[in-house]
Amino acid sequence: GNSVTQMEGPVTLSEEAFLTINCTYTATGYPSLFWYVQYPGEGLQLLLKATKADDKGSNKGFEATYRKETTSFHLEKGSVQVSDSAVYFCALSDATGFQKLVFGTGTRLLVSP
Amino acid sequence: DAGITQSPRHKVTETGTPVTLRCHQTENHRYMYWYRQDPGHGLRLIHYSYGVKDTDKGEVSDGYSVSRSKTEDFLLTLESATSSQTSVYFCATAGLADTDTQYFGPGTRLTVL
Repeated sequence: GNSVTQMEGPVTLSEEAFLTINCTYTATGYPSLFWYVQYPGEGLQLLLKATKADDKGSNKGFEATYRKETTSFHLEKGSVQVSDSAVYFCALSDATGFQKLVFGTGTRLLVSP
Repeated sequence: DAGITQSPRHKVTETGTPVTLRCHQTENHRYMYWYRQDPGHGLRLIHYSYGVKDTDKGEVSDGYSVSRSKTEDFLLTLESATSSQTSVYFCATAGLADTDTQYFGPGTRLTVL
């Protein structure tokens, strides 16, 4: 079945450091790929998405490229801020037409001043 | 953001009692989903709905039932709560215009003693 694997956290960085959170997937067909972010005490929000191979999703300085050859969708940001501290979830949608999402386990990011 | 509310936001109950969680949306979205969030598992789909009275099972549906009698409301029922159902429950919706994007409610923290 479909699955998503994310790097274990927490990831601890200083402000302005470069961020990479790894995400790989297993899927049949051609899923869409997503990064969702969850701030403390809140629900998830869509951060970015990519719907086909080689697409790059970007938002708020975050980027991720859909790499079909390596089945990866790594999240990057050039300079993190304290306000980026949150839990980040990689996800894929299945191809059934009901857009059911399969999530990774989440990676907590902690950014210190 | 889609107007999604969940009630109650917190609940403590005892093993064996029935519990109903409510998700209410004001965006007229067609698709609605119930997830549970547990440490080490990310979010897992319990049930979903693709229209009024149209529902189907997700990955972890055992012990849960759902109903959707009108577009705006999606109810999740635990017929006889167990301690393994202690979790944070999130509702999400998606509209026909952008089925790729799911919007999440704030969550309900349920504790089963």
